[in-house]
Amino acid sequence: DVKVTQSSRYLVKRTGEKVFLECVQDMDHENMFWYRQDPGLGLRLIYFSYDVKMKEKGDIPEGYSVSREKKERFSLILESASTNQTSMYLCASSLDSGRVYNEQFFGPGTRLTVL
Amino acid sequence: KQEVTQIPAALSVPEGENLVLNCSFTDSAIYNLQWFRQDPGKGLTSLLLIQSSQREQTSGRLNASLDKSSGRSTLYIAASQPGDSATYLCAVLASSNTGKLIFGQGTTLQVKP
Repeated sequence: DVKVTQSSRYLVKRTGEKVFLECVQDMDHENMFWYRQDPGLGLRLIYFSYDVKMKEKGDIPEGYSVSREKKERFSLILESASTNQTSMYLCASSLDSGRVYNEQFFGPGTRLTVL
Repeated sequence: KQEVTQIPAALSVPEGENLVLNCSFTDSAIYNLQWFRQDPGKGLTSLLLIQSSQREQTSGRLNASLDKSSGRSTLYIAASQPGDSATYLCAVLASSNTGKLIFGQGTTLQVKP
């Protein structure tokens, strides 16, 4: 079974802090994604990566950056946390196999509260 | 711009009933459609993936269909159980280059014992 893990289930930070959210997948997937989920807005893509050291902006990249130094690990960084970044953050991964478009598998989520 | 809609937003049924959840999308040029389940405060669990060339997929009591030309998918749940209570999300893959999924808002299902 594919396993996607996230470093924390719950996180509380203060405004202005630098925050790191970590995601690890164990199935050698090329693609990794960061989403945030908010009531009434659904899931929105923040960033994704299709290879080590490669990244692409999603729909809402402002205020975030990412890092992918190893294939299995994709980090989301909030450079200076703000209260409007309080949200559920979900990481996902998928296999890249050419023209077959594969399932995305999600981690358990990190509930981030910024005070 | 691709938009995904799920109606109704919430559904309550008695245990044992067969039910259908609906998902519609505005642009038929999709690569696949995926159904997920989400329990409160948890991540998403993939239920079924339908490639654009397929019409349906089945897993246990779940059956998902896809009609690209009409922009619709349905998730059929047979003999519903209280353990099926959750939010069900559909998502379409609209771009072959990014793997980016576009999600509906979900249907929250409650199955009453």
